[in-house]
Amino acid sequence: EDQVTQSPEALRLQEGESSSLNCSYTVSGLRGLFWYRQDPGKGPEFLFTLYSAGEEKEKERLKATLTKKESFLHITAPKPEDSATYLCAVRRNQGGKLIFGQGTELSVKP
Amino acid sequence: DSGVTQTPKHLITATGQRVTLRCSPRSGDLSVYWYQQSLDQGLQFLIQYYNGEERAKGNILERFSAQQFPDLHSELNLSSLELGDSALYFCASSVGTSGTGGNEQFFGPGTRLTVL
Repeated sequence: EDQVTQSPEALRLQEGESSSLNCSYTVSGLRGLFWYRQDPGKGPEFLFTLYSAGEEKEKERLKATLTKKESFLHITAPKPEDSATYLCAVRRNQGGKLIFGQGTELSVKP
Repeated sequence: DSGVTQTPKHLITATGQRVTLRCSPRSGDLSVYWYQQSLDQGLQFLIQYYNGEERAKGNILERFSAQQFPDLHSELNLSSLELGDSALYFCASSVGTSGTGGNEQFFGPGTRLTVL
């Protein structure tokens, strides 16, 4: 069965303290791994798509990487405005639906 | 702003009632997806339409139905509502339906449904 597991569930950082969020997945025929940011009560905001192992993408203080079994979202020198829930999702070979993990709630304190 | 619009933002109704949620996709996007987000279940895929046709079904209850109209907007109909249907309902859109590239899904702001 397709499964996406994110860890940790919650992460508290001090401003400037770099860290990584993990997304482990089990899916037959991966056709994309997606990272989203979600603020409370808002819709998920698209961040990155990764398609193959070894691929990396960067945006400001965020960098996403992909292996055959997991993806990491690295946050370098985070700021309080980076506080949000980060969601990982995978898409299978067939169809367009996304299978989401439960998310990591990130809190960055000044 | 993702370009996906959803109305209404909030909906409060009673058990047994029926409601309709509306979604307008980004300009040029042909696929529309509906997701439900609750505290205990996370984001769950409900249904997908592509250019007016149903393409995929997820964990959508028989009491729920959807359609996509010729102008590509979509409606999600929820009937015989139960307390457990209270959740955030999101619509997302993408250019295509499968394959690599150009299929990132962009989410709307959601409709918060409260069933009393």
